[in-house]
Amino acid sequence: DTAVSQTPKYLVTQMGNDKSIKCEQNLGHDTMYWYKQDSKKFLKIMFSYNNKELIINETVPNRFSPKSPDKAHLNLHINSLELGDSAVYFCASSRETGSYGYTFGSGTRLTVV
Amino acid sequence: AQKITQTQPGMFVQEKEAVTLDCTYDTSDPSYGLFWYKQPSSGEMIFLIYQGSYDQQNATEGRYSLNFQKARKSANLVISASQLGDSAMYFCAMSRRSGSARQLTFGSGTQLTVLP
Repeated sequence: DTAVSQTPKYLVTQMGNDKSIKCEQNLGHDTMYWYKQDSKKFLKIMFSYNNKELIINETVPNRFSPKSPDKAHLNLHINSLELGDSAVYFCASSRETGSYGYTFGSGTRLTVV
Repeated sequence: AQKITQTQPGMFVQEKEAVTLDCTYDTSDPSYGLFWYKQPSSGEMIFLIYQGSYDQQNATEGRYSLNFQKARKSANLVISASQLGDSAMYFCAMSRRSGSARQLTFGSGTQLTVLP
């Protein structure tokens, strides 16, 4: 019973392609997030959704578009992929209140060639 | 703006010894949370421990304890009786409210290696 599941785990694609990463959580959390971890392991928030509503939208190229069909799913679509998009992308979820931080998915390693 | 600083890019510790990983933070928010996460070489992010800014006592979870010194704005992680499986990257993070979401800001991480 995976709490936060991301697919695919690995994604290798050519520059200019469009790709999607899917994320689903079965924890009943209200809020979901996308984080990017670069080659130096630095983690930075990209987006946050609460009950299908966009809450946080950091400075991210508009080639990245999150989509939340319901509060258990938050997918990430990336258009016109560039070499610099290569990174590990983490989905996470959290309760709106409480002290338990985030529950992370296992990450998607995206490699753009 | 919030900032988390981890000044130790890498640390080594002998198996069965204790180790302290440093974390300092900067925020103007009166209410915040501090977290530590472990990222082993397999890549997943594992929640270890949480400390609330208003908590009077330091948090503990098994072999993990958080040495919270609010006046010094530090939240160091102490791992007692290190095990080989503790070798991993460790991230300190701080949360703040952003609308109805809680945004985590992460430090740059400390790579811990436990030596046999």
